[in-house]
Order: sequence, then C-alpha cells, then structure tokens
Amino acid sequence: DGGITQSPKYLFRKEGQNVTLSCEQNLNHDAMYWYRQDPGQGLRLIYYSQIVNDFQKGDIAEGYSVSREKKESFPLTVTSAQKNPTAFYLCASSIVGEWETQYFGPGTRLLVL
Amino acid sequence: QKEVEQDPGPLSVPEGAIVSLNCTYSNSAFQYFMWYRQYSRKGPELLMYTYSSGNKEDGRFTAQVDKSSKYISLFIRDSQPSDSATYLCAMSHAGTASKLTFGTGTRLQVTL
Repeated sequence: DGGITQSPKYLFRKEGQNVTLSCEQNLNHDAMYWYRQDPGQGLRLIYYSQIVNDFQKGDIAEGYSVSREKKESFPLTVTSAQKNPTAFYLCASSIVGEWETQYFGPGTRLLVL
Repeated sequence: QKEVEQDPGPLSVPEGAIVSLNCTYSNSAFQYFMWYRQYSRKGPELLMYTYSSGNKEDGRFTAQVDKSSKYISLFIRDSQPSDSATYLCAMSHAGTASKLTFGTGTRLQVTL
C-alpha cells in the first residue's frame, strides 16, 4: 500500500530537549511538507521541500529544522528554541505541480512534560 | 484579520440533511480552492479542488466558488453519520502554489 507514515504517534518532550519526528512516504512524490495544527488555528506550514537536498521555510519555521537526504524521508526536528511545541504535527507529500493534491500522514502529537 | 475565515462550528444536522460549509477569504490572488476532510486524530484527506468560479460536483459533494464575493462553499447532500468530521478549506495562488493557506476548519456532526 502506498502512503505516508509518521512516527511516533505520541511524543513527549522535556524542557530543553530536541526531538525528531519521522515522516516517510512511498508514493514517489518529490514534494514534502510539514504542518503544525493547533486548536482554532488550522494548519500552518513549517517547512517544505520540492527536491532532495533542498527545502524552504514556511510561515512558522522558527525553532524547527528539517533535512531531505532521501526522496522518501523528510524528518522534522523540534529544537529547544521552540518555546510552545505542544501541537499536532502533520506531514504531507505531493507531486510537484499538483500542490492542491497533498496526501497527509496520520500525524504526531507532541506534548511537553 | 486572517486571510481565510471559517466558522469553527460545531454544526449538528440530522442524517439526510443538506449541509452547507463556507469560507471567506481576503486575498484576491487566490486561484486554487480545496476542501479537505479530517476525522478526529487523523490527517486530512482531499475531497475536492477547483481553480475557477462556479460549481464542481462529485457524488454527494458540490464545491462552489464565487471569486467576486471571495466566498467558497462545500455542499453535502444526503448527509451520513460517516460524514461527521472537520472540514478544512484551503487556498493558494499561482505565485506560491505550493503554499496552501488553510481555514481553521468546521466540525460537522451528523446525527441519526
């Protein structure tokens, strides 16, 4: 089955700790995205990548970092600089040029201890 | 003011009712309009998209775009309990087509 997997489903972060959220896709899509979803705010774009070894900041990139070493993988690191990391994080992918058809993973809920 | 406004609901309707979900937007450059459905604790899935004014129909779903009023709608006919979810509108423009701007979502509950 083709799709996007995210792990873990739940993640707990301690003060001052960096944590990494995994996103893998086997849809052969070039473009991948990370969104943050907070109650009452909808989805906000953190980072996106249209090709391996290249990525761009979205609207709320501060306190986050990404890498795109493989087409299938787009991990997101939430650094200690992100002061309010509690949220639902969603990874998505699409064919370049078909931006409207983004396929989303099941999400990772990040909680701060 | 947010670029995309969407009533958060919740909206509760009986099974079989026609549902109307709406978004307004302020950026006249938006050209592409999408509706996503998100079940609780899951990722969104694309329902419909359109890039022009007018109506687009797919089964029980109809997407309507009125660019002159900066208003889009999603109609669901013969609503089912399985339609209970949060519906998100999203938009983009040609200059930054890869960046979607989402509404906050409307939570819909279809009751038996």
